[in-house]
Amino acid sequence: RKEVEQDPGPFNVPEGATVAFNCTYSNSASQSFFWYRQDCRKEPKLLMSVYSSGNEDGRFTAQLNRASQYISLLIRDSKLSDSATYLCVVGNEKLTFGTGTRLTIIP
Amino acid sequence: SAVISQKPSRDICQRGTSLTIQCQVDSQVTMMFWYRQQPGQSLTLIATANQGSEATYESGFVIDKFPISRPNLTFSTLTVSNMSPEDSSIYLCSVGTGESSYNEQFFGPGTRLTVL
Repeated sequence: RKEVEQDPGPFNVPEGATVAFNCTYSNSASQSFFWYRQDCRKEPKLLMSVYSSGNEDGRFTAQLNRASQYISLLIRDSKLSDSATYLCVVGNEKLTFGTGTRLTIIP
Repeated sequence: SAVISQKPSRDICQRGTSLTIQCQVDSQVTMMFWYRQQPGQSLTLIATANQGSEATYESGFVIDKFPISRPNLTFSTLTVSNMSPEDSSIYLCSVGTGESSYNEQFFGPGTRLTVL
């Protein structure tokens, strides 16, 4: 089993729609959780940290379920500029990156 | 967050040669890391660059192939030695916040390496 698993997509979503990604992780002792965004031929950029209580940043909501070992990201009112690859990242002794979920927002 | 620069941004190299990639940060940081991102894949940690001591390498990566220097808290280099086409990849440095290796990290723009 991979340490961090994501559905690679692609997700093709019309502008204005809501889209959700899930990610599962294998190490129950993991201590930190993040979503990163990576645009084509660019470096990954931190989108948001994920906390057990859940957290929201504008149109983005992230949640963590430690019992089931999964993390989710919800994007509301999607914009064309949201098109990117979203990386699920889990931290223990190091950060482990998922392979990413590719999202394309369609006009 | 810190401003991170890398040089070169890209290079095309012949097999058997070596390339040194530089990573410069605009502020002092404790944690610096080097990653590789092969085409179509996610990031893999190569090593943690430790200031004043030898780097800590992940499984599958060795110092002879990927020597790392960290002379101070704002600078590090990664050398890809005796290159082969399988080393073609994007190499990224990152800096961590705080003192832990599992805190959030911020990435440099990457070095795109092609080995012929």
